[in-house]
Amino acid sequence: NAGVTQTPKFRILKIGQSMTLQCTQDMNHNYMYWYRQDPGMGLKLIYYSVGAGITDKGEVPNGYNVSRSTTEDFPLRLELAAPSQTSVYFCASSGASSTDTQYFGPGTRLTVL
Amino acid sequence: GQQVMQIPQYQHVQEGEDFTTYCNSSTTLSNIQWYKQRPGGHPVFLIQLVKSGEVKKQKRLTFQFGEAKKNSSLHITATQTTDVGTYFCAVGSSNTGKLIFGQGTTLQVKP
Repeated sequence: NAGVTQTPKFRILKIGQSMTLQCTQDMNHNYMYWYRQDPGMGLKLIYYSVGAGITDKGEVPNGYNVSRSTTEDFPLRLELAAPSQTSVYFCASSGASSTDTQYFGPGTRLTVL
Repeated sequence: GQQVMQIPQYQHVQEGEDFTTYCNSSTTLSNIQWYKQRPGGHPVFLIQLVKSGEVKKQKRLTFQFGEAKKNSSLHITATQTTDVGTYFCAVGSSNTGKLIFGQGTTLQVKP
């Protein structure tokens, strides 16, 4: 089991560029999440999904989009990157419920210049 | 809405000293989870507490759930440099049905 994998590990974007952060889990979990973590801060929920085809906004969704076409994959799309989106992005998944133990990926470190 | 407060935000200790972080909720909790994030790493699940007054130990780490199930603590005995990192508590929100993470306590250990 690889658990939760994320690509890329690092990325530098210019203002206005777009990109997709990839997240895949092999634990057959229904629930998946995207968080951002600014330096020295806690985790802020961007979007989450309770199953394939179902997504919903979290605390800070503006500037991002998600899709969930399969149980395994939950990509996060950044449109028109801004310096405020410089952060570390973590994908996570949980099995039994949305309050169950969450398993995190290694993160994507994004810098927008 | 439901809030979870974690204190202190930062703690610097000398290696060998003890360390405690506290997590406080405004509402009664069904359970609480603790996670550790090493510098440059990702959060990793440590433990879940469910019962009122529950105490669980993992080597030098002691986790406690309050009698009223509104607070929890993580105590590390005789800290080591390997304990460095940020410790997060997480609680299930009765409003949103999602996990809410505390702001974390960052522990620095001086060798």
